[in-house]
Amino acid sequence: DVKVTQSSRYLVKRTGEKVFLECVQDMDHENMFWYRQDPGLGLRLIYFSYDVKMKEKGDIPEGYSVSREKKERFSLILESASTNQTSMYLCASSTSDRSSYEQYFGPGTRLTVT
Amino acid sequence: DAKTTQPPSMDCAEGRAANLPCNHSTISGNEYVYWYRQIHSQGPQYIIHGLKNNETNEMASLIITEDRKSSTLILPHATLRDTAVYYCIVSLGGADGLTFGKGTHLIIQP
Repeated sequence: DVKVTQSSRYLVKRTGEKVFLECVQDMDHENMFWYRQDPGLGLRLIYFSYDVKMKEKGDIPEGYSVSREKKERFSLILESASTNQTSMYLCASSTSDRSSYEQYFGPGTRLTVT
Repeated sequence: DAKTTQPPSMDCAEGRAANLPCNHSTISGNEYVYWYRQIHSQGPQYIIHGLKNNETNEMASLIITEDRKSSTLILPHATLRDTAVYYCIVSLGGADGLTFGKGTHLIIQP
């Protein structure tokens, strides 16, 4: 079974702190994604990566950056956390095999910025 | 990605088939139809996807109309654990992110 793990289930940070959210997948997937989920807004794509050291902006990249130094690990960075970044953050991965594009999600990290 | 339309909520009796509809009238020829579900406080879970043909796996069946403008997800024997929000998504797949709408909140009644 594909396994996507995220470093924390719950995280509380202060405004202005630098925050790292880590995601690791064990299926050798090429593609990795970061989403945030907010009530009434659904899931929104922040950034994605289709290869090591490659990254692309999603729909809401402002205030975030990402890092992918190894194929299995994709990090989301909040350079200076703000209260409007309080949210559920979900990581996902997928293969590049066109017949099998389903994304596998981690359990999520609920981040609260105070 | 094309947009989809789903009913906001549905009920189904335990043990019966749950049929979840989705309209995607602007789908393009190379876009797939994906279904995911999200159980409360968990990450979304992939269920099934298809391009033109009907598909079946151990979780569900996907029926896509001939014109591809709508589809139906069928859970053949719903259980209480199938209570979740179900998302219908159309996407090129690959490195494209998925656009999740509001989905259908399916409630399985005992």
